[in-house]
Amino acid sequence: NAGVTQTPKFQVLKTGQSMTLQCAQDMNHEYMSWYRQDPGMGLRLIHYSVGAGITDQGEVPNGYNVSRSTTEDFPLRLLSAAPSQTSVYFCASSNGARGETQYFGPGTRLLVL
Amino acid sequence: GENVEQHPSTLSVQEGDSAVIKCTYSDSASNYFPWYKQELGKGPQLIIDIRSNVGEKKDQRIAVTLNKTAKHFSLHITETQPEDSAVYFCAASGSGGSQGNLIFGKGTKLSVKP
Repeated sequence: NAGVTQTPKFQVLKTGQSMTLQCAQDMNHEYMSWYRQDPGMGLRLIHYSVGAGITDQGEVPNGYNVSRSTTEDFPLRLLSAAPSQTSVYFCASSNGARGETQYFGPGTRLLVL
Repeated sequence: GENVEQHPSTLSVQEGDSAVIKCTYSDSASNYFPWYKQELGKGPQLIIDIRSNVGEKKDQRIAVTLNKTAKHFSLHITETQPEDSAVYFCAASGSGGSQGNLIFGKGTKLSVKP
């Protein structure tokens, strides 16, 4: 199993550009989530999904969209990038929601100029 | 909602010494408390977890204790080694409509000096 994969590893954007961060898992996990990690702020939940076709907002959802058309994939879209979205983004998945181990991907480092 | 506080933010120990990281949480309904280790340039990886019906759990040099009454839990690493150097995050599961989302502390950077 590859586990949780994320692409790209690194991206530079200009303010106002759009892009999609890809996340895929091959463990047949129902629950998937996106976090952003900023210095001194820990990991903050952006959006999550408890199954295909179901998504919901986390702690910091503004500026981001998600969709879950399949169990395997959970892309994160930035419609109009802003410098405040410069961060490291992690995707995670688990076999359930409460009380289950979350497996993290390697992260995408995003710089918005 | 749930709030998790983690201390200290940085910790430096000599190789062979013990390290302790403490977290407090606010939601008394939380019942799952994992600890993650993040090495430089990598994603967080689960190292140990504890559920609310247990007071302590050990795995070789790592142990976690939970005090539900005081709403705090701690990570204990004994006989530290240089490869233990990393950032450690505690987390607590949310409750109600959050579907058990994890709320993370802000992390502790542990440095083990040879």
